[in-house]
Amino acid sequence: SQQGEEDPQALSIQEGENATMNCSYKTSINNLQWYRQNSGRGLVHLILIRSNEREKHSGRLRVTLDTSKKSSSLLITASRAADTASYFCALGGAGGTSYGKLTFGQGTILTVHP
Amino acid sequence: DGGITQSPKYLFRKEGQNVTLSCEQNLNHDAMYWYRQDPGQGLRLIYYSQIVNDFQKGDIAEGYSVSREKKESFPLTVTSAQKNPTAFYLCASNVAGGFATDTQYFGPGTRLTVL
Repeated sequence: SQQGEEDPQALSIQEGENATMNCSYKTSINNLQWYRQNSGRGLVHLILIRSNEREKHSGRLRVTLDTSKKSSSLLITASRAADTASYFCALGGAGGTSYGKLTFGQGTILTVHP
Repeated sequence: DGGITQSPKYLFRKEGQNVTLSCEQNLNHDAMYWYRQDPGQGLRLIYYSQIVNDFQKGDIAEGYSVSREKKESFPLTVTSAQKNPTAFYLCASNVAGGFATDTQYFGPGTRLTVL
């Protein structure tokens, strides 16, 4: 099954800066989700954007989706040290045959220095 | 508290042994999932179940087995046939594996180490 390709693999920034992570994919999707994982813990859902949406906001998070380019980006504004984690994109309904399943990317490791 | 629990948090297995990882949810979710995560990697789907008494293989089902006898429980057995079982195992659930894929809720994970 297809997988989201994330870049960068790792991102290191200072507190207060913005962090941008990107996810690209190959086939059609129903939705795209972003999750966060603190080291050694489970994943926490951040935001879901459906294929007919172009942009979504939640607090300091902004997600865009460009279905023509098959890509999404996650922007975290005014980052904090507590944002340090791995961030994963997950493809929902990829290829139109996988409703109910998610396919995860490799993740971006974000480090925010105080 | 509502949520997903996994036990144990750490599990050590000797070569040739079967072990069972527990996953319980009290969210009244229909669908449940098992993923494997290797260091520095994303999640790979092992098995999933969209309804009681039914389950499907994911991308890496070989060497694993599951059951779904109750809505709230989805145990995963790692058998001796799994050649490289050392990994972090995550259980998740969501409302239903229907037309619009919804948010998945994750447990805290079980770290399995083969000695």
